[in-house]
Amino acid sequence: RKEVEQDPGPFNVPEGATVAFNCTYSNSASQSFFWYRQDCRKEPKLLMSVYSSGNEDGRFTAQLNRASQYISLLIRDSKLSDSATYLCVVNGHDEYNNNDMRFGAGTRLTVKP
Amino acid sequence: DAGVTQSPTHLIKTRGQQVTLRCSPKSGHDTVSWYQQALGQGPQFIFQYYEEEERQRGNFPDRFSGHQFPNYSSELNVNALLLGDSALYLCASSLYGRGISNQPQHFGDGTRLSIL
Repeated sequence: RKEVEQDPGPFNVPEGATVAFNCTYSNSASQSFFWYRQDCRKEPKLLMSVYSSGNEDGRFTAQLNRASQYISLLIRDSKLSDSATYLCVVNGHDEYNNNDMRFGAGTRLTVKP
Repeated sequence: DAGVTQSPTHLIKTRGQQVTLRCSPKSGHDTVSWYQQALGQGPQFIFQYYEEEERQRGNFPDRFSGHQFPNYSSELNVNALLLGDSALYLCASSLYGRGISNQPQHFGDGTRLSIL
């Protein structure tokens, strides 16, 4: 089983749509969680952290369910500029160093006019 | 405040050759992690360096080796290149230690390696 699993998509949605991505992780010792965004042929960039209580940043909402080892990202009112690959990331497994991120394969989103 | 810088941007090699990729971490960071990202895949962890030592390693063969210098910069070396080594190689920097898992790593632009 992969450490971090995501639905690869692709998700093709019209502008203004709401879309949700899911992610599961296998290591129950994982401590922190992030969503990264990666544009074609570019490096991954941090989109948002994911907190246990759930958190929102504008049109983006992230949720975490530690019991189910499940993370989600909801994008409301999709924009053309949201088209990218969204990477689920889990962090913090090593006994000595809690900064050892593991990435999912990414979910590709295309927002169409 | 300089971010993570990698060189070269692109590289073309042939099978059997050796390659060295370079990374300078973000100012204030002491740890460098290397990732391989094949087309259509997420970044795969290769290894992480701190205090000039390899601290963690992913599932990569010994052909992949690295080094960290006293100024925290790092090199990734790949020997006996295979066609399957063609990928984007990403370097990320961070701070080492416990209790800091809420600090995400910062990535460089990557080196795109093509093996012919």
